Amino acid sequence: EDQVTQSPEALRLQEGESSSLNCSYTVSGLRGLFWYRQDPGKGPEFLFTLYSAGEEKEKERLKATLTKKESFLHITAPKPEDSATYLCAVQLNFNKFYFGSGTKLNVKP
Amino acid sequence: EPEVTQTPSHQVTQMGQEVILRCVPISNHLYFYWYRQILGQKVEFLVSFYNNEISEKSEIFDDQFSVERPDGSNFTLKIRSTKLEDSAMYFCASSLLTGGGGELFFGEGSRLTVL
Repeated sequence: EDQVTQSPEALRLQEGESSSLNCSYTVSGLRGLFWYRQDPGKGPEFLFTLYSAGEEKEKERLKATLTKKESFLHITAPKPEDSATYLCAVQLNFNKFYFGSGTKLNVKP
Repeated sequence: EPEVTQTPSHQVTQMGQEVILRCVPISNHLYFYWYRQILGQKVEFLVSFYNNEISEKSEIFDDQFSVERPDGSNFTLKIRSTKLEDSAMYFCASSLLTGGGGELFFGEGSRLTVL
């Protein structure tokens, strides 16, 4: 059975304290792995797409990496405005995406 | 910046009533989707739509659900006879492509409360 698992479920950081979020997957035929940010009561906001093992993407304080089994979202020197739930999603055949449960990040000033 | 818009933002209905949720996808996008998120749970795939027909649907998308693109801009989700367990946030999404570059762009969601 295809699975997408995110860890930790929740993460509390001090401002400036770098860390990583994990998304592990056991799916066959991965077409792409996507990271999204979701603020409370809002729709997911696209961050990154990764397609092949070894690929990396960066945007401001965020960097996403991909291996054959998992993806990491590294957050460098986070700020309070980075507080949100971070979702990963895997794209399987055609246009079907499976989302993980998310990591709720809270960055304290 | 182009965006996906959804209406209504919140709808309260009685069990057994019909509900229509509306979406205007990004204008040059070709693929359209409905997802739902029950409070505190995962974002779940419901249905994808391409070239005026359903291309894929999940086991959640049973006979009480239907989708339609009645004109060149709107994309609707109809729930024929709502149940308590249909209470959730419903997200519309669109994408330009599938596969490479096929990231989804989501609307802000329609919160459905079934009493």
